[in-house]
Amino acid sequence: QVQLQESGPGLVQPSETLSLTCVVSGYSISNDYYWGWIRQPPGEGLEWIGSISHSGSTYYNPSLKSRVTNSIDTSKNQFSLKLTSVTAADTAVYYCVRHLSWGACDIWGQGTMVTVSS
Amino acid sequence: EVVMTQSPATLSVSPGERATLSCRASQSISTNLAWYQQKPGQAPSLLIYGASTRATGIPARFSGSGSGTEFTLTISSLQSEDFAVYYCQQYNNWPPLTFGGGTKVEIK
Repeated sequence: QVQLQESGPGLVQPSETLSLTCVVSGYSISNDYYWGWIRQPPGEGLEWIGSISHSGSTYYNPSLKSRVTNSIDTSKNQFSLKLTSVTAADTAVYYCVRHLSWGACDIWGQGTMVTVSS
Repeated sequence: EVVMTQSPATLSVSPGERATLSCRASQSISTNLAWYQQKPGQAPSLLIYGASTRATGIPARFSGSGSGTEFTLTISSLQSEDFAVYYCQQYNNWPPLTFGGGTKVEIK
């Protein structure tokens, strides 16, 4: 079955760049779908960060657009998130997801906790 | 941006009873709405898409309805494993994809 697995540092210094990777197994990401990132601060709700299509088109939340970059590596069957100039407000569990253009997020990674602190 | 509003924030229900959760969109989203269930310490999982279609493996006690701006998730007879937080999400008009603030279903 299709599985997504996030990886990356659990602790990031303020003002630095948060970098996460999501490895996809059981499906070739170059075939179809959008591949996205969603985050959840402790005790709060869900916030969509951005998505990248299988062909490399990117879409970002306007509230984060100036700091976010999504990329895709079809040779490694993975996609990545970079969030620059992080602050404590970026502390959250980060999930990678799969979705269609007009479709729900049908597959989620288990999530990875990222804390921004010195 | 389409703003999604869920009510109530917390719903106290006894096992075996019916639970009705509401989700409202700030503008029409047709039936491009999904519901997710999140249990403590876990990622959300897809319950319903297209406002009323159950995802694979979801029990029939979960049902979704609505179109336009008003949507409902109904759990016909709450089981112990159904106590969780539920989120609605629209995918009609994006970016951005937007979620409601969630409804926590707790044991009464």
